[in-house]
Amino acid sequence: AQKITQTQPGMFVQEKEAVTLDCTYDTSDQSYGLFWYKQPSSGEMIFLIYQGSYDEQNATEGRYSLNFQKARKSANLVISASQLGDSAMYFCAMSPDMYSGGGADGLTFGKGTHLIIQP
Amino acid sequence: ETGVTQSPTHLIKTRGQQVTLRCSSQSGHNTVSWYQQALGQGPQFIFQYYREEENGRGNFPPRFSGLQFPNYSSELNVNALELDDSALYLCASSDSATRPYEQYFGPGTRLTVT
Repeated sequence: AQKITQTQPGMFVQEKEAVTLDCTYDTSDQSYGLFWYKQPSSGEMIFLIYQGSYDEQNATEGRYSLNFQKARKSANLVISASQLGDSAMYFCAMSPDMYSGGGADGLTFGKGTHLIIQP
Repeated sequence: ETGVTQSPTHLIKTRGQQVTLRCSSQSGHNTVSWYQQALGQGPQFIFQYYREEENGRGNFPPRFSGLQFPNYSSELNVNALELDDSALYLCASSDSATRPYEQYFGPGTRLTVT
């Protein structure tokens, strides 16, 4: 079974500062995928970034980067130069297969971190 | 390219009733997954449909059932509603051929059971 742990229920950050959201995972699979999603108050989950377990380089997508430390089983999200529009819930998730968005087993999500960017 | 849409936006039902939630997948996506998100929690996987067949199911009882149609739109049906079924229900579509790991979520249907 897979498990995602997000230990920061909430975070307050000043605008333009960098933010690191923590995520640790547990799995016995060798091949797996790690994801970060943003959920604004409107409800929809917005895909931010993906890291495959065999990818040697950390994934980056614009202002988002995923700090993947396989030995520590951590997959922290780093947001550079935070903006007011970054205020939202952030969820870390994993799939049991590196090549699918969960496949037949679906994604396993953490409980999320509520990020608030202050002006 | 249209996004994932869900209907209705909000719904209030009474315990014991049945409900049908609808999802229209992003154009060209042949896979749809449904998730239940209770208040203050992360989403939980209900099931996935691929080319009109159920492809996998999470830890949900049989009173949660679904359909996927030839145009890849989808329905989630819940029978004998319980108070604990109150949640945000999200559907997500993906294209298994190109970027299967990138799922596009709809805005969700918020179901309240009284």
